[in-house]
Amino acid sequence: QQQVKQSPQSLIVQKGGISIINCAYENTAFDYFPWYQQFPGKGPALLIAIRPDVSEKKEGRFTISFNKSAKQFSLHIMDSQPGDSATYFCAPGTYKYIFGTGTRLKVLA
Amino acid sequence: DAGVTQSPTHLIKTRGQQVTLRCSPKSGHDTVSWYQQALGQGPQFIFQYYEEEERQRGNFPDRFSGHQFPNYSSELNVNALLLGDSALYLCASSLAGDNYGYTFGSGTRLTVV
Repeated sequence: QQQVKQSPQSLIVQKGGISIINCAYENTAFDYFPWYQQFPGKGPALLIAIRPDVSEKKEGRFTISFNKSAKQFSLHIMDSQPGDSATYFCAPGTYKYIFGTGTRLKVLA
Repeated sequence: DAGVTQSPTHLIKTRGQQVTLRCSPKSGHDTVSWYQQALGQGPQFIFQYYEEEERQRGNFPDRFSGHQFPNYSSELNVNALLLGDSALYLCASSLAGDNYGYTFGSGTRLTVV
């Protein structure tokens, strides 16, 4: 069975700090590596994604770092804000995406 | 540009009953995937529909079935409901051949009592 492991389960960061969430996968056939953000009562929303041909992608305060050989990728949130408080999921795959267990981020004001 | 629409938003059913959940995909999308998200967990893949056929299926029993209509909308049916079926059911749409992730709806919260 395809496994996706996400860490940490929860994270508390001060406003302005850096939040780092990690994801490890097993299936080397995956070729799309997204992060989703989910607020309570809402469905997940695509935040940022990367393809395996690059090692890093930055969009505003959000950066994905990708290590193909280690089968890991991570989400970095720079200058974390209280509005970033949400649950974050990695969901690697190819046309079908396998979600991690989620990381609950709380950014303190 | 309408996103993914799911109905109803909330539903309470009794054990043993049957339920039908509905989904309208984002305009321009032709593929619908259904996920089950238990409280505090990540979404679990149920199945995916394309061209009115089930294309892929996750590890869910046959009590879970679906349908896709010619207008790309979709239904998820669950028979013989169990207490453990209580969850948020998410519909996600995408365009076949575009490996760019999903657009999710806000989900249907199903409570089985």
